[in-house]
Amino acid sequence: EAQVTQNPRYLITVTGKKLTVTCSQNMNHEYMSWYRQDPGLGLRQIYYSMNVEVTDKGDVPEGYKVSRKEKRNFPLILESPSPNQTSLYFCASSLRTGKSPLHFGNGTRLTVT
Amino acid sequence: AQSVSQHNHHVILSEAASLELGCNYSYGGTVNLFWYVQYPGQHLQLLLKYFSGDPLVKGIKGFEAEFIKSKFSFNLRKPSVQWSDTAEYFCAVSFYNQGGKLIFGQGTELSVKP
Repeated sequence: EAQVTQNPRYLITVTGKKLTVTCSQNMNHEYMSWYRQDPGLGLRQIYYSMNVEVTDKGDVPEGYKVSRKEKRNFPLILESPSPNQTSLYFCASSLRTGKSPLHFGNGTRLTVT
Repeated sequence: AQSVSQHNHHVILSEAASLELGCNYSYGGTVNLFWYVQYPGQHLQLLLKYFSGDPLVKGIKGFEAEFIKSKFSFNLRKPSVQWSDTAEYFCAVSFYNQGGKLIFGQGTELSVKP
């Protein structure tokens, strides 16, 4: 089944404790992206990747890192999480940027205390 | 910067009522247009998309949207909503002059009363 898999679904952590949210897609998509969803703000793009080893900042990249060493994986790293990063995070992928619909993962609800 | 606006933040309807959700985008030349739906506790799913051709696009579950280029709008419609349509709806626009970057609107929460 074609899908985007994110883990974990829920994560509670403390300020400053490094964490990684994994994202994997099995559709051989070139484009992958991370979004955060906050009430009243819609989805805001954190980072995106056009292909392996090609990543770029989205609209709200501060406090986040990503890597794209393989086509299928696009982990999101929070080196030193802060409470303002408490949010719902979605990973998404598409065949081509802009022209193809995005396929979304199930989301990761992160709480930073 | 390019932007996408959804003017209705929360819409409450009774079953069988007609629905129209507004979506406008800033001028940016050629665009691709999408509507996504997020049911409670779930991820976003594609409802419909417009790339070119007939500006009236039909999607899943009886939804349709009309692209009006002169108004920079892509409003979502459904003639008769059901309780199961309760969800949050996001308009998204991909701007060619920004390398296809996809920008989402703020979302519209739809509540349908049985």
